[in-house]
Amino acid sequence: AQSVTQPDIHITVSEGASLELRCNYSYGATPYLFWYVQSPGQGLQLLLKYFSGDTLVQGIKGFEAEFKRSQSSFNLRKPSVHWSDAAEYFCAVAPMEYGNKLVFGAGTILRVKS
Amino acid sequence: EPEVTQTPSHQVTQMGQEVILRCVPISNHLYFYWYRQILGQKVEFLVSFYNNEISEKSEIFDDQFSVERPDGSNFTLKIRSTKLEDSAMYFCASSEEGRKFFGPGTRLTVL
Repeated sequence: AQSVTQPDIHITVSEGASLELRCNYSYGATPYLFWYVQSPGQGLQLLLKYFSGDTLVQGIKGFEAEFKRSQSSFNLRKPSVHWSDAAEYFCAVAPMEYGNKLVFGAGTILRVKS
Repeated sequence: EPEVTQTPSHQVTQMGQEVILRCVPISNHLYFYWYRQILGQKVEFLVSFYNNEISEKSEIFDDQFSVERPDGSNFTLKIRSTKLEDSAMYFCASSEEGRKFFGPGTRLTVL
């Protein structure tokens, strides 16, 4: 069965510092991979996705993620965090994006200190 | 950007009552989903819907749950007899190729 692990429940970074959120997945083949962000009281917004090709994908709001097959990882990064990035971040996998369910990780809450 | 809308934003109900959560997916999308997130827990898949029928459902989606697309625009989730453990945030989503769009969610509180 597919599963997603986000080992960090909370992360606190200073504004302007770099950020890396970890995500590991378990799946027989290479799945489709996603990062979503959820701000308080908001829905889930897609930051970026990986289907195939270049293993470094760029997303919205200055985020990027790198797919590493050998490590079954899809870590999310941002070079300089802004206070508005404080939110909860979810990694998710799907065997096929169009029409198949997403399996979510438990989420990582990002706090940004000024 | 197109968006998925959900109503109500917050629903409070008594245990045993029926609730209907409503969603308006993006108009040209063909796949529709419901997910839920119990407070402090993961977002969990409930059901997917395509071509007017359920295409996949999780073990959470038991006989107390049903979905419907009654009029070609709305997509509803009905819980027939709510239990305390149904209290959660319920997210509707619709998808086109390459991307799922999520609604803002309905917070269901069962007392």
